[in-house]
Amino acid sequence: GAVVSQHPSWVICKSGTSVKIECRSLDFQATTMFWYRQFPKQSLMLMATSNEGSKATYEQGVEKDKFLINHASLTLSTLTVTSAHPEDSSFYICSALRPDSPLHFGNGTRLTVT
Amino acid sequence: DAKTTQPTSMDCAEGRAANLPCNHSTISGNEYVYWYRQIHSQGPQYIIHGLKNNETNEMASLIITEDRKSSTLILPHATLRDTAVYYCIGGATNKLIFGTGTLLAVQP
Repeated sequence: GAVVSQHPSWVICKSGTSVKIECRSLDFQATTMFWYRQFPKQSLMLMATSNEGSKATYEQGVEKDKFLINHASLTLSTLTVTSAHPEDSSFYICSALRPDSPLHFGNGTRLTVT
Repeated sequence: DAKTTQPTSMDCAEGRAANLPCNHSTISGNEYVYWYRQIHSQGPQYIIHGLKNNETNEMASLIITEDRKSSTLILPHATLRDTAVYYCIGGATNKLIFGTGTLLAVQP
């Protein structure tokens, strides 16, 4: 069964508003989670590494003030897209690092900004 | 992370074996070879991984060359549900960088 749960699976929001996406590890504690973004017909691009209890590490070119990541507990990381614009419309995918196990991914969140 | 090269697309007949190649000539000694697949509009699904030895599980087999510069993922009896983008990744489990992958189309 699924070991990483992502919510919501899809969301539509108006330009200028903020959207929060949740990523939960099920039945295990994840000190590290990762956030990816995927545009149509492209591969997954790593956005940031989320570390429980500390600041996220962002990849080059990803605006940390626009994509707020909070990893407040060992089973939950959130990604907030602030002041969303149509160009932020994308498929956002999280993954969680489980000890002694390959990386597991959530089923993604389709964000559409109108 | 190691740079990987995969064919853009492949076709396979239903019921036949699908052999997906991957070149990872820059892989370092402690980096694993991971294979994931992504069915349209879903998150990536883990398939298999290996370091040096060939590996097999209920989904697939992974054949890694002795010099570790390339590998082949084998789906022994492809079904229509195996149609997906298959990603080969060379790296450490704590940070996976995805390449462009191979779109495998299983034909009836």
